[in-house]
Amino acid sequence: GAGVSQSPSNKVTEKGKDVELRCDPISGHTALYWYRQRLGQGLEFLIYFQGNSAPDKSGLPSDRFSAERTGESVSTLTIQRTQQEDSAVYLCASSSRLSGGGNTGELFFGEGSRLTVL
Amino acid sequence: AQSVTQPDIHITVSEGASLELRCNYSYGATPYLFWYVQSPGQGLQLLLKYFSGDTLVQGIKGFEAEFKRSQSSFNLRKPSVHWSDAAEYFCAVVPATDKLIFGTGTRLQVFP
Repeated sequence: GAGVSQSPSNKVTEKGKDVELRCDPISGHTALYWYRQRLGQGLEFLIYFQGNSAPDKSGLPSDRFSAERTGESVSTLTIQRTQQEDSAVYLCASSSRLSGGGNTGELFFGEGSRLTVL
Repeated sequence: AQSVTQPDIHITVSEGASLELRCNYSYGATPYLFWYVQSPGQGLQLLLKYFSGDTLVQGIKGFEAEFKRSQSSFNLRKPSVHWSDAAEYFCAVVPATDKLIFGTGTRLQVFP
């Protein structure tokens, strides 16, 4: 598609359940990011994939959070044993690479997946 | 520590007034610099970016930003604010070839 696609757009789950959030980046974009945005707050970096390099997982808040990416395409963010504090909008973004290397930094964002943990 | 700082959490201006949103960074080298806007109920949109060259960059919706190396700043400006500019504004940097890092955001409220 033309833009970054995320699914589901809304997810309501019970505390303790596992959830999977999916992101389809823009075709050809080598970099993919996951951010979390709690209500009324800023963007909290979670994880960053760049091509075939090892992902930067430094933002994952706990070992209940994990993410995978297949090559330079789809990514899945998994939250195990969800807690109420996990309720937030999870944003995915992708970007392309400059001809000289490195990201352009111009991120294209999806609409987000709103997670509500009851 | 490396960081991006937006000192103003919330700013209120009257429609038609000028606007300046502050952004400071602390990195050794000049990073790539960006401003994003998040309007209510909408996704994040790139306003403008600075990679190199002219330190005054123009963006969409009448916004501009000036990179000042001596102050490690990249402040966003608009000469006359419109009610539709009410939104959350995020400064962001890419240090060297690393990941994009966002500031904490500034919420702009516009009074008629």
